[in-house]
Amino acid sequence: DVKVTQSSRYLVKRTGEKVFLECVQDMDHENMFWYRQDPGLGLRLIYFSYDVKMKEKGDIPEGYSVSREKKERFSLILESASTNQTSMYLCASSRGTREAGELFFGEGSRLTVL
Amino acid sequence: TQLLEQSPQFLSIQEGENLTVYCNSSSVFSSLQWYRQEPGEGPVLLVTVVTGGEVKKLKRLTFQFGDARKDSSLHITAAQPGDTGLYLCAGDDKNRDDKIIFGKGTRLHILP
Repeated sequence: DVKVTQSSRYLVKRTGEKVFLECVQDMDHENMFWYRQDPGLGLRLIYFSYDVKMKEKGDIPEGYSVSREKKERFSLILESASTNQTSMYLCASSRGTREAGELFFGEGSRLTVL
Repeated sequence: TQLLEQSPQFLSIQEGENLTVYCNSSSVFSSLQWYRQEPGEGPVLLVTVVTGGEVKKLKRLTFQFGDARKDSSLHITAAQPGDTGLYLCAGDDKNRDDKIIFGKGTRLHILP
């Protein structure tokens, strides 16, 4: 069974802390994505990657960075967490461009920043 | 600017009833996906439609892609409590280099 695994389902952090959210996929997908989901705002793309060591900004990259050292792993980093980054974070992967729209999501990481 | 409009935003109906939810845009899409998301979980892909006018069936769910590939609908026959969830549509926007965009979703609640 194909899978996207996010390292933490629930996290509570304090303002100013550095936060790492890890995502691993076992489908050998080229593309990986990080979204955040907030009530009334839907899913918003933070960063994405089409290949190892490549990254591109999405619609809301401010306050975030990413790392993709291996094809199967895509990490989201909050350098200094703030309360407005409290959200549900969703990692997704997909094949190359032809099937780019078919995303496979992880279960999500709910982050609370106090 | 919301490029993919989903309607209604909320829908609460009795078990056994039929329903249709809509996903509309002024943009043309290479393909369009429907996902269902349950509380506390990630979205799960239900279907992809690619050809204008295409109709796909998944048990009691019928998906249709508009002829001009700008809109889509999801029809559920004889809704069941297990259909409860957030239904999201997403498309590869040809005007944005085929980047994926999501609608805000229709939250469906089926009453037993």
